[in-house]
Amino acid sequence: KQEVTQIPAALSVPEGENLVLNCSFTDSAIYNLQWFRQDPGKGLTSLLLIQSSQREQTSGRLNASLDKSSGRSTLYIAASQPGDSATYLCAVTGGGNKLTFGTGTQLKVEL
Amino acid sequence: GAVVSQHPSRVICKSGTSVKIECRSLDFQATTMFWYRQFPKQSLMLMATSNEGSKATYEQGVEKDKFLINHASLTLSTLTVTSAHPEDSSFYICSARDIDRATEAFFGQGTRLTVV
Repeated sequence: KQEVTQIPAALSVPEGENLVLNCSFTDSAIYNLQWFRQDPGKGLTSLLLIQSSQREQTSGRLNASLDKSSGRSTLYIAASQPGDSATYLCAVTGGGNKLTFGTGTQLKVEL
Repeated sequence: GAVVSQHPSRVICKSGTSVKIECRSLDFQATTMFWYRQFPKQSLMLMATSNEGSKATYEQGVEKDKFLINHASLTLSTLTVTSAHPEDSSFYICSARDIDRATEAFFGQGTRLTVV
């Protein structure tokens, strides 16, 4: 059974700092990995999608990497802003096109 | 990106009543939709996979007679919580995959259900 873990569970940083969120998964037989953002009481916004054959994807200040063989992904956020404050979830797509979600990292960017 | 609309966003109902939640893919067709449940400060747990024109596949431990799923068209799936109890209070989120972009999942805004 696939298990996805995210570290740290919570993170508080001052505005402008670069930061890294970590995601690890136990079964490397995945089709892709997605990073999502969730604001309190809201649904999920897809940030980046990395196919299993890819190593990284970039969108604006966000960069996600994938090391499928070691079961790890990182989400790098450059020059963090208060508006980046949210919960970040990673999820992997396995058999049956099912997504397995990580435990989430709650990020707070302070002024 | 593709848009998934979920309605209602919030609902309060009395114990014993049923509540229907709709999930629509607005600008794409989705052969498969997924229903998740999220408890406070926890991650999303898959409840069931909804396939257009066929019966839903439920995850272990999810009561199919309590959580009725219908996927009558390529753009609409519904989740009905029957005979709701306070312990059913939770955040329910649907997800859909585009037929043409089968790898990426798009999510609805979620429904906050409170059973009193």
